Amino acid sequence: DSGVTQTPKHLITATGQRVTLRCSPRSGDLSVYWYQQSLDQGLQFLIQYYNGEERAKGNILERFSAQQFPDLHSELNLSSLELGDSALYFCASSASPADRGNSPLHFGNGTRLTVT
Amino acid sequence: AQKVTQAQTEISVVEKEDVTLDCVYETRDTTYYLFWYKQPPSGELVFLIRRNSFDEQNEISGRYSWNFQKSTSSFNFTITASQVVDSAVYFCALSAALGSGYALNFGKGTSLLVTP
Repeated sequence: DSGVTQTPKHLITATGQRVTLRCSPRSGDLSVYWYQQSLDQGLQFLIQYYNGEERAKGNILERFSAQQFPDLHSELNLSSLELGDSALYFCASSASPADRGNSPLHFGNGTRLTVT
Repeated sequence: AQKVTQAQTEISVVEKEDVTLDCVYETRDTTYYLFWYKQPPSGELVFLIRRNSFDEQNEISGRYSWNFQKSTSSFNFTITASQVVDSAVYFCALSAALGSGYALNFGKGTSLLVTP
């Protein structure tokens, strides 16, 4: 058990809808990351937050947004969903400061999103 | 640009065989960090090892060993006497500074199947 909690485990929704994925990092970790895993794109970095502030942005669509709250949990909001958004979404946390790359990321079990 | 290449898409071996998973990386940074992760069929991403760019010592952990060679920009992973439980997708990743934070750039992964 990595200590990172993601909810829900599975989500099935229709095109055009909006969903929210939730992540609680490991106790003490200030950095939270979101990744998307799909068969064709592999593991794609979406966004990083550190202690409530956005620090790094990857290939995140404008229809997607995220935030990290004062209690350090994070939410990833996906709107105007398309079939191609179907994927496994991972949250990860690390103990490293925002600008270091030396700490491993500890991943949650992911949320499987299916858009029909 | 930061890039990780895992040229082997799928590998199939018989139990007790040794197997090496290749990882080649590209980076302009003089200090960087490399990682290996395992994704078993259950789907979670499990951290295996981190290697700093300034430490070229090989590492052994039980049946697992890692060979880091800066001269060839490679960080290969060997499983000795493979077991069925080693069947998983293995990802190599490189830490990269991005914005005021950082992200792990993952290779496409190597799917390892160990048969009895």
